Order: sequence, then structure tokens, then C-alpha cells
Amino acid sequence: QVQLVQSGAEVKKPGASVTISCKASGYTFPGYYMHWVRQAPGQGLEWMGCINPNSGDTKYAQKFQGRVTMTRDTSINTAYLELSSLRSDDTAVYFCARDRANGYSSTRLYFDYWGQGTLVTVSS
Amino acid sequence: DIVMTQSPDSLAVSLGERATMNCKSTQSVLFNSNNKNYLAWYQQKAGQPPKLLIYWASTRESGVPERFSGSGSGTDFTLTINSLQAEDVAVYYCQQYYVTPTFGQGTRLEIK
Repeated sequence: QVQLVQSGAEVKKPGASVTISCKASGYTFPGYYMHWVRQAPGQGLEWMGCINPNSGDTKYAQKFQGRVTMTRDTSINTAYLELSSLRSDDTAVYFCARDRANGYSSTRLYFDYWGQGTLVTVSS
Repeated sequence: DIVMTQSPDSLAVSLGERATMNCKSTQSVLFNSNNKNYLAWYQQKAGQPPKLLIYWASTRESGVPERFSGSGSGTDFTLTINSLQAEDVAVYYCQQYYVTPTFGQGTRLEIK
């Protein structure tokens, strides 16, 4: 069965960077785009961007351009999200989520499997 | 960006009754070339990640109970839950995927 297992909670100081991992299993990792979505405490969902695990191509939401980097390691079926220059309003749960489309270079932009979430707390 | 607005913000419905919630987009998410609405619905229970319920505005995801249904086209959409069960307590989000994905703010569903 498809599983996305994320790394554990992080506490960071303002200005620092954080890297979160998302290990996929139960499907062909390169065949599906991986997205990252965050949710601030008590708030809604915000799409951050996605990566094509096959090619490494990325697309980022404009809001995060310059601060976000998405990478992958196909040898261990893992996607990564790095967010830099952290601020207090980056405190949120970060989810990885698999794109519905199966096609190595196609994307539907909606999400059929989600990781359990990683809480990132930014505090001095 | 397309802004998604859900209503109401919260909803209390008795067990066994029908729950109806709405989602409105600032521009049409109907792609004319395939006549599909690029709209999904998710259910998020407390402490859990979202779960895909509906895509293409009205197609139920595999394993989702038939009491969940989606309708609408263009800019106005509805999620209906018939015969509400206790396990349906959650926050429900709509999401457009016509362009860069955006979500509504959510509708919180409780038992009356």
C-alpha cells in the first residue's frame, strides 16, 4: 500500500533553515509528482510547490520563491523540502502529498496520498 | 491566483440528516476542451492529514462512502453528505487545480 512517512518535528530559530524528508513506499516513486502543502496552526491549507521525482524539475509557489528548495533522492525513494530564512509565521505542519497523475511527466495537481505531517516551530 | 471561498465556516447537523456545504471560485475552473471542472474536496479529521474525497467536482475517490457527493460547475460547487455519521465530523476543504492549486478556508462540520 502507498505510504508517505515524514521526518519528525523540528524547532528552529528565526533565520535558520529546516529540511523535512518524505519517504515513499508502495508505488513507483519516480512516476508521480510530489507536492508540499503546509497548514499553520488552526488555519487552512497552502500549496508550496512540487517536484518531478523522475527529472528533478520543480515548480514553486511564487510566495516561497527564493526561500524554498525541493529535492529528491530516487535511490531511497525520498523527497525533501528545505525552507530557509525561517520566520515565526512559518510555524506550521508541513505535508508531502502525492499527485494523482501517473505519467512521469504529467501532473493533475490534486493529491491522493498524504504524509502524516511534520510540525515545524519557529521560535526564538 | 484563484481564490476559493467556502460557506458556511461551520455547520452543525444532526446524525442521519444531510449536510451541505458550498465552495465558490473567483474564476471558472471548467476546462472547456474536456468539459471537466478542476475541483477537488478533502476531509481532514483532527490531527490527521487531509483525505481526498471527490475530484473532477463529482467523482468519488475509491473507498469513499456513497453518502458523499459533489456537484456544481464553473464557479459554484457543493459537497453533500447524506445520512450524516459520527465519523464525518471533520473540516472539509475544496481545492481548485485548474491553475496553481489553491484551497478554500474550510468548513467545520459538527454533530448537532
